[in-house]
Amino acid sequence: QVKLVESGGGVVQPGKSLRLSCAASGFTFRSYGMHWVRQAPGKGLEWVAVMSYDGSKEYYADSVKGRFIISRDNSKNTLSLQMNSLTAEDTAVYYCVHIGGYNAMDVWGQGTTVTVSS
Amino acid sequence: AIQMTQSPSSLSASVGDRVTITCRASQGIRSDLNWYQQKPGKAPKLLIYAASSLQGGVPSRFSGSGSGTDFTLTISGLQPEDFATYYCLQDYDYPWTFGQGTKVEIK
Repeated sequence: QVKLVESGGGVVQPGKSLRLSCAASGFTFRSYGMHWVRQAPGKGLEWVAVMSYDGSKEYYADSVKGRFIISRDNSKNTLSLQMNSLTAEDTAVYYCVHIGGYNAMDVWGQGTTVTVSS
Repeated sequence: AIQMTQSPSSLSASVGDRVTITCRASQGIRSDLNWYQQKPGKAPKLLIYAASSLQGGVPSRFSGSGSGTDFTLTISGLQPEDFATYYCLQDYDYPWTFGQGTKVEIK
């Protein structure tokens, strides 16, 4: 079955960078688009970014555009999110999400927590 | 960006009740609307995709309807395990956007 395991979260100072990874298994990774979604403490869900199955297309939320970079390594079944110029507003649980049929985000990882604090 | 307005933000209901949650898009999004359930400390779970299609393994008491700008999630016969927060999501155009969520609590 589809399994997604995020890693790389932690505590980081404002203005610094952090790189998240998502290890995918149980499906043909190179055939599916993948998303990142986040949730700040006590808040709702916020879509962050998406990358197409082959890495040719990527889209970002306005709140992270120009600071975050999504990437993938289809040879290693890994999705990444490079987060730069972090602010307190980026504090959240970050989820890696698989795109299933009908373009729906159907399988979610367990999430990794990012805390931006001095 | 397309704005998704979800209502109510919270509701109290009893086991067995019929519950309806609505989501309105700021522009037409065809049927490109999904519903998710989230329990505390857990990742969201896909319930409904394409506005009205039930995700595999999801109980049939959950149903979705609507197209264009107005959408509804209905739970027919609320069960104890259904107390959670529900979100709509438009996947019509990037950036994808979620509704602000509806917390369903026990009356």
